[in-house]
Amino acid sequence: GAVVSQHPSWVICKSGTSVKIECRSLDFQATTMFWYRQFPKQSLMLMATSNEGSKATYEQGVEKDKFLINHASLTLSTLTVTSAHPEDSSFYICSAPPRQGRGEKLFFGSGTQLSVL
Amino acid sequence: QKEVEQDPGPLSVPEGAIVSLNCTYSNSAFQYFMWYRQYSRKGPELLMYTYSSGNKEDGRFTAQVDKSSKYISLFIRDSQPSDSATYLCAMKAGNYGQNFVFGPGTRLSVLP
Repeated sequence: GAVVSQHPSWVICKSGTSVKIECRSLDFQATTMFWYRQFPKQSLMLMATSNEGSKATYEQGVEKDKFLINHASLTLSTLTVTSAHPEDSSFYICSAPPRQGRGEKLFFGSGTQLSVL
Repeated sequence: QKEVEQDPGPLSVPEGAIVSLNCTYSNSAFQYFMWYRQYSRKGPELLMYTYSSGNKEDGRFTAQVDKSSKYISLFIRDSQPSDSATYLCAMKAGNYGQNFVFGPGTRLSVLP
């Protein structure tokens, strides 16, 4: 299967600082990438859809100024949590469907556990 | 009614049992169906992928899709403790970039 690399896997930061999470498709190109948030024992919650070369599409209730998304190339999307607060602590996961074909499969990164003190 | 429904469990079975996991959905436009396995604090891993109706087998795993009933299943034969995880069903309509819709996941524990 296709490989999606997500980095870092774990980060602790102080309240008020910003944290950047990277998501790379290693062996395929992805015009679209998805960012999810997951709380313990709960399912994936889609935050935003990242589109290469254009603005991201955010789900209702997700602050776009808080969660900055950049999809600079066909293999890299970044999520920056700005001015992080303890309530932003969560597990963040990215995913991407390969650009080739109909994009009918979705491959996930390994996730990033963010803890804001 | 939610777009995709899945029993959250938890489901506990003894080692060696056959496990049946199911999802129902309401959107008849869904064509692509997937099952993911997620271990705690890890990203979901694609287990099975099926297009339209039918069965697909891969080792101990069998995926079934019944579009007429809007019902999909994942069977795990000879279950192992290492199968203990959360299983998520996912589905999608046709176009590239269109959102995938996930079930809430079923937590499975296989007891040795």
